[in-house]
This record gives sequence, structure tokens and C-alpha cells, in this order.
Amino acid sequence: DSGVTQTPKHLITATGQRVTLRCSPRSGDLSVYWYQQSLDQGLQFLIQYYNGEERAKGNILERFSAQQFPDLHSELNLSSLELGDSALYFCASSVGYSGAYEQYFGPGTRLTVT
Amino acid sequence: GQQVMQIPQYQHVQEGEDFTTYCNSSTTLSNIQWYKQRPGGHPVFLIQLVKSGEVKKQKRLTFQFGEAKKNSSLHITATQTTDVGTYFCAGLLPTQGAQKLVFGQGTRLTINP
Repeated sequence: DSGVTQTPKHLITATGQRVTLRCSPRSGDLSVYWYQQSLDQGLQFLIQYYNGEERAKGNILERFSAQQFPDLHSELNLSSLELGDSALYFCASSVGYSGAYEQYFGPGTRLTVT
Repeated sequence: GQQVMQIPQYQHVQEGEDFTTYCNSSTTLSNIQWYKQRPGGHPVFLIQLVKSGEVKKQKRLTFQFGEAKKNSSLHITATQTTDVGTYFCAGLLPTQGAQKLVFGQGTRLTINP
């Protein structure tokens, strides 16, 4: 158990809909990262937050947005969903803001868009 | 864009054989991390290499960071069925502002018992 929690575990929704994925980092970790992993694909970095502020952006679509709240949990919002958005979404946390720190991954949320 | 390339994409071995995965970057890396993802699981941090030419060992796993800090390798001696999974390298690119960890595509290891 990494100490990072993600909800829900599975999500099935239709094209055009909007969903919210939730992540709680490990106790003491200030950074939260979001990744997308499609079938047989690597980990695509989406976005990083550190202590409530956006820190780094990756290949995140304009239809996607995220935020980190004062209690440090984070939410990833996916809107106008398309079939291609079906993937495993991982949240990871680390103690610092730079990529030099090891990241602890949550169990992931599997999103299926039908 | 800046990428971290990992080869091979897939590797199937007989139990007891050795296994190596390679990671290459066109850019000098600040550090490199290795993660393992078991089937159906999430990535788990294995190790971080920082110094040029660094070699670290964890039991049957040997990690190397190249002299130019542009490549790295993970070697597993005498594989066991518990080694099954996908191994990812992740390189830290030294950019202005926020440093980003860039993951390779991973090498999926399967083992015939």
C-alpha cells in the first residue's frame, strides 16, 4: 500500500459526459501528479500540483483540468469525454516539488467511455 | 519533444535467464528513476541514480547510469516468476523552471516457468 488513495476505482460513462477523479496523497506529501496510461502504453504525464499551485504541465488536453485543495487532495476533471479518453488514470505524490523525489502511485482509476 | 526511449518494448524469457532493459535520452539527465508495475498494479519506485557512471544493486537487480548521463540500464540476473511486470525508466530533464520526470514506454517482461 503506497498510502495514496484514488476514487473511484472504476468509472464507466458515455461520450460527451464529464467526470471527476479524486486523489489523496500520502501523508506529508505536498506534490500531486496525474498520469494517463492507455492500453499497452507508457505513462503520459498530465499535470503536477505542489501545495495547491500548478507546478508543471504535460500533455494535458484543454478538456481536462485539475486542482489541488487546501487539504492537499486533488481532483482531475475530464469533460466532453471521447472514446479515446478510456484509460487508467494514476495519481502519484511526492514530498517535494521537483522530479528528483521518488513518486508514490495510487491504485488508479480505470475510466471506460462508451 | 524531449523523450526518453526504452527498449525492448517486450521481452519473454525462460525462468532463470537474465534480462536487461535499456533507457536512452537525447538530453543529459539530472537523474534517472526506475519503477516496476506488476500486471494489474500500479508503478512502484525501485531506485534512483544521480551520479555519472553510478551502479547500484538490489539483490538480483543491477542498475547503471551512463557516464554521459544519457542512458541507463536495468539488468536482472536469473529471473524468477516474481519479476514479471513492466519496468519503466523515468528521466529528470534539467529544464528552466519546473523539472519534469519523463517516463519511457516501459519494457514488459514475461517469464516462462
